[in-house]
Amino acid sequence: NAGVTQTPKFQVLKTGQSMTLQCAQDMNHEYMSWYRQDPGMGLRLIHYSVGAGITDQGEVPNGYNVSRSTTEDFPLRLLSAAPSQTSVYFCASSPAGTSRTDTQYFGPGTRLTVL
Amino acid sequence: EDQVTQSPEALRLQEGESSSLNCSYTVSGLRGLFWYRQDPGKGPEFLFTLYSAGEEKEKERLKATLTKKESFLHITAPKPEDSATYLCAVRGGSQGNLIFGKGTKLSVKP
Repeated sequence: NAGVTQTPKFQVLKTGQSMTLQCAQDMNHEYMSWYRQDPGMGLRLIHYSVGAGITDQGEVPNGYNVSRSTTEDFPLRLLSAAPSQTSVYFCASSPAGTSRTDTQYFGPGTRLTVL
Repeated sequence: EDQVTQSPEALRLQEGESSSLNCSYTVSGLRGLFWYRQDPGKGPEFLFTLYSAGEEKEKERLKATLTKKESFLHITAPKPEDSATYLCAVRGGSQGNLIFGKGTKLSVKP
């Protein structure tokens, strides 16, 4: 198993550009989520999904869109990039959907810089 | 409001010098407390899950314990390779999502 994979590893955008961060998992996990990590702050939840076709907002959803058309993939879209979105983005997955007592496993991260 | 506070922010130890990291939490309906290790430039790596007060788990030089208000990560005779940032998270509240602390950066000098 590859676990949770993320692409790209690094990305530089200009203000106003859009892009999609890719996340995939091969563990047949129902729950997937996106976090951002900024210096001096804990990981903050952006969006999450408890299964294909179901998504919901986390703590900091503004400026981001998600969709979940398959169990394996959970892309994160930046609609119009802003410097405040410069961060490291992590995707995570866990087996359960609604019970959510399971451990989350994280991908390697995408480092995004918005100029 | 659900929250997690980790202390200290940074900890420097000599190789072999045992110590503890603290994670205090406030959450409605705790469904689990998680410890992760994060190396620079990498994603968090799962270490332990604790579900109820009094529970303890061990892995090599690490031992995690849980009370009703806090968790400790005890490091016995640490080695330089234990240097990393240790993250604590709780799962609880109405949505059951993970809430992370800011982490403790551990440096172990030979």
